[in-house]
Amino acid sequence: SQKIEQNSEALNIQEGKTATLTCNYTNYSPAYLQWYRQDPGRGPVFLLLIRENEKEKRKERLKVTFDTTLKQSLFHITASQPADSATYLCALGENTGNQFYFGTGTSLTVIP
Amino acid sequence: EPEVTQTPSHQVTQMGQEVILRCVPISNHLYFYWYRQILGQKVEFLVSFYNNEISEKSEIFDDQFSVERPDGSNFTLKIRSTKLEDSAMYFCASSLGQLVSGNTIYFGEGSWLTVV
Repeated sequence: SQKIEQNSEALNIQEGKTATLTCNYTNYSPAYLQWYRQDPGRGPVFLLLIRENEKEKRKERLKVTFDTTLKQSLFHITASQPADSATYLCALGENTGNQFYFGTGTSLTVIP
Repeated sequence: EPEVTQTPSHQVTQMGQEVILRCVPISNHLYFYWYRQILGQKVEFLVSFYNNEISEKSEIFDDQFSVERPDGSNFTLKIRSTKLEDSAMYFCASSLGQLVSGNTIYFGEGSWLTVV
C-alpha cells in the first residue's frame, strides 16, 4: 500500500541548532515533493517544492533534499528559532493532475 | 499578500443536515481545491476544480459532496446529509496554474465543521 511517513515522534531542539525532518514514501513515483508549515488551527503554508530531478533546494534558512533511490526527502531548518515551532508536512505529487498526498506531519518545537 | 478566505470559520450542524462551506479563492487563480483534516490526522485531498468542472476527486468525495462556482468569485463545498464522521477542518485552496508545473497552492484558514 502507499505510505508517506514523517518523523514519528515530535522533535524538540535548542534554538540555533539545525532541525532535520524526514519524509519517507513507499509505492509512489512522485514527480515533485513539497514541504508545508502548519500552525495549530490554521491552513498549511507552502514552503518549498523540489522536483524528482533535483537533489537539493534552498530558500533562506531552509534546505530540502530529495533522494528518489532512497525514497526520502530531508527538510533542514538552520539556525532554528522559537518562531519555527510548528508542524511540518511533506506532500507528494505525481506527473499528472493536481492531486497530491500529505504525510502525517512532524511537530517541531524550538526551545529558547 | 492575496489570500484565500473561507466562511464560516466554525459551524455546528445536526447529523443529516445539509452544510455549505464557502470560499473566495485568490482572484486570478484558475484551479480550486477542497481538502479536509480530521482532528489529529493528515490533510486529505477531496476535489480539484478547473474550468467550471471537477478535474479530480478522491474516494472521500462521494455523492454526498458537491462543489460549485456559482459566480466569478465564490467556490462552495456542499455536504448533502452530514454524518458524524464528516466532522473535520475543511480547507479551500487555489493555484494560478497546475501544481506539476511548479505553481504554488495557497490554503485558506479553514472551516471547522462539527456534526452532532
